[in-house]
Amino acid sequence: SQKIEQNSEALNIQEGKTATLTCNYTNYSPAYLQWYRQDPGRGPVFLLLIRENEKEKRKERLKVTFDTTLKQSLFHITASQPADSATYLCALGAEGGKLIFGQGTELSVKP
Amino acid sequence: GAVVSQHPSRVICKSGTSVKIECRSLDFQATTMFWYRQFPKQSLMLMATSNEGSKATYEQGVEKDKFLINHASLTLSTLTVTSAHPEDSSFYICSARARDSTIMNTEAFFGQGTRLTVV
Repeated sequence: SQKIEQNSEALNIQEGKTATLTCNYTNYSPAYLQWYRQDPGRGPVFLLLIRENEKEKRKERLKVTFDTTLKQSLFHITASQPADSATYLCALGAEGGKLIFGQGTELSVKP
Repeated sequence: GAVVSQHPSRVICKSGTSVKIECRSLDFQATTMFWYRQFPKQSLMLMATSNEGSKATYEQGVEKDKFLINHASLTLSTLTVTSAHPEDSSFYICSARARDSTIMNTEAFFGQGTRLTVV
């Protein structure tokens, strides 16, 4: 069955450093992959989308890579700030517009 | 970006009663809405896909008679949890896809979620 795994542990980093989050998947070949941010008690907020034929996508301090051979996506936040603290979810695009979500990685950026 | 409004944000109900959650797309028409459930520290699990004017498609293991979905217009979908039990307590989230979007290029817009507690 399809399986998605993100960093299993919470990630704690110092302000100003680069946070790198991992999303691995098996038994699936998604046409695209998305990353979302979720704050406690709130719905997810879209950050970036990357298609299967794209290696890398950037948006301000965010960067996403997509390696369909390794079946992995990496999500980077450069020059991290305490306001970046949240749970980050990766989601694979499935048929009919459905999204299959990973369990999320909780990021904490300390000042 | 597009706005999806979900109401109520929190609800507490007694065991055996029914609860209705509304999901509205405020500034766009949504032919498809999705309903998810999320338990603490866990992923969003898709419950059903709701298409305007037709019956919802439920994911495996989701009871359609317990979780009633109605998508009567292009801007409103409702989820009714019938005969709620404590194990139905969870965070329910809807998302909407714009009418003119292509699957490859449009993100999903999520509501703010509803925290349901059944006592």
